[in-house]
Amino acid sequence: KAGVTQTPRYLIKTRGQQVTLSCSPISGHRSVSWYQQTPGQGLQFLFEYFSETQRNKGNFPGRFSGRQFSNSRSEMNVSTLELGDSALYLCASSLVLAITNEQFFGPGTRLTVL
Amino acid sequence: DQQVKQNSPSLSVQEGRISILNCDYTNSMFDYFLWYKKYPAEGPTFLISISSIKDKNEDGRFTVFLNKSAKHLSLHIVPSQPGDSAVYFCAASGGRGGNQFYFGTGTSLTVIP
Repeated sequence: KAGVTQTPRYLIKTRGQQVTLSCSPISGHRSVSWYQQTPGQGLQFLFEYFSETQRNKGNFPGRFSGRQFSNSRSEMNVSTLELGDSALYLCASSLVLAITNEQFFGPGTRLTVL
Repeated sequence: DQQVKQNSPSLSVQEGRISILNCDYTNSMFDYFLWYKKYPAEGPTFLISISSIKDKNEDGRFTVFLNKSAKHLSLHIVPSQPGDSAVYFCAASGGRGGNQFYFGTGTSLTVIP
């Protein structure tokens, strides 16, 4: 069974640009969550989608948005990039709607903002 | 507002000895806790979890202890092996439903052969 895949793996952008990251969950998984990982901050929860609906949202500005498609694939968009947005962006998928389900993480997209 | 804290950024242990990684949380609504292990250039992988109705959960060499009154959990690895060298994250969830997990900042474990 294929794991969670994220594309692209690495990305370099400049301030003010926008970026779209993609995540394909494990087949059959309907919940996709996004996290931002920066040194000293650990993994910060961005949002979670289930059945194309955003179910939970973390404490990030509106420049961070996402969506989920009918095949459970998810995209995350960051507009008007800032230097502080440089981070590893991880997505995780899980099988069903429950907090006791294990999340499977992808390898992440390393975003560098210059 | 860091609701889950791992106060030790790094830990070094001799092979064969016990590794103890600690995690504290502030939100009393958390009722499910997990540990993840992360190697460089890979996403975190699930290691072990514990529900708040338990105070201990064991899986092979890994044991997680939960002290709800102190809002503290710990991960014990016995015996430690060089392959255990990685960054360990604790995470917590609960109270709001859905898959919103709060992660700590991680502890980098080095097991010395």
